[in-house]
Amino acid sequence: GEDVEQSLFLSVREGDSSVINCTYTDSSSTYLYWYKQEPGAGLQLLTYIFSNMDMKQDQRLTVLLNKKDKHLSLRIADTQTGDSAIYFCADGVFSGYSTLTFGKGTMLLVSP
Amino acid sequence: GAGVSQSPSNKVTEKGKDVELRCDPISGHTALYWYRQSLGQGLEFLIYFQGNSAPDKSGLPSDRFSAERTGGSVSTLTIQRTQQEDSAVYLCASSSSGRWPDEQFFGPGTRLTVL
Repeated sequence: GEDVEQSLFLSVREGDSSVINCTYTDSSSTYLYWYKQEPGAGLQLLTYIFSNMDMKQDQRLTVLLNKKDKHLSLRIADTQTGDSAIYFCADGVFSGYSTLTFGKGTMLLVSP
Repeated sequence: GAGVSQSPSNKVTEKGKDVELRCDPISGHTALYWYRQSLGQGLEFLIYFQGNSAPDKSGLPSDRFSAERTGGSVSTLTIQRTQQEDSAVYLCASSSSGRWPDEQFFGPGTRLTVL
């Protein structure tokens, strides 16, 4: 079955850039997603990228996709303490509806 | 408007008891999903409802788990004869149509602890 892997923890200083990496195994993935989960809250969609794109930028967020290597990354520029959260990578394979396979999440800790 | 709501927010139960978890999706959303988030395990898909179609139950881990969605809106996830390994956060999500790249809106989850 599909598998999505992420590093579990990343620590950065406020103002630095953060890069969270993700690998997936299913070559038929159609969309790839990044979700953010703050403590005690549900997941919030940050951004997504279609599998035929290699980059998407949205304000401080840059998503890079290397489809050949099945590698996805999320770069957060000028990281703030409010960015501290768990970030989930997810891939979606067309099966008639949008069921997602999630990674285990990367905990980002931003220190002042 | 209101987001996805779930109740209760926390549930502590004894092994062997049955529990019911409730999800109120965003009004008008036809697609509803249940996921389980276990410590260190990420999110595990459990079940998907789309309108009045038969649900996709392929992610349910055992026959102790069942879910229903009444009137195409509220959903209830039932776990019978709970086991300690059922302890997790159960997340519900809804989306407007279930089609690509439909955003899934998540509720805050129900934290289930089985003693």
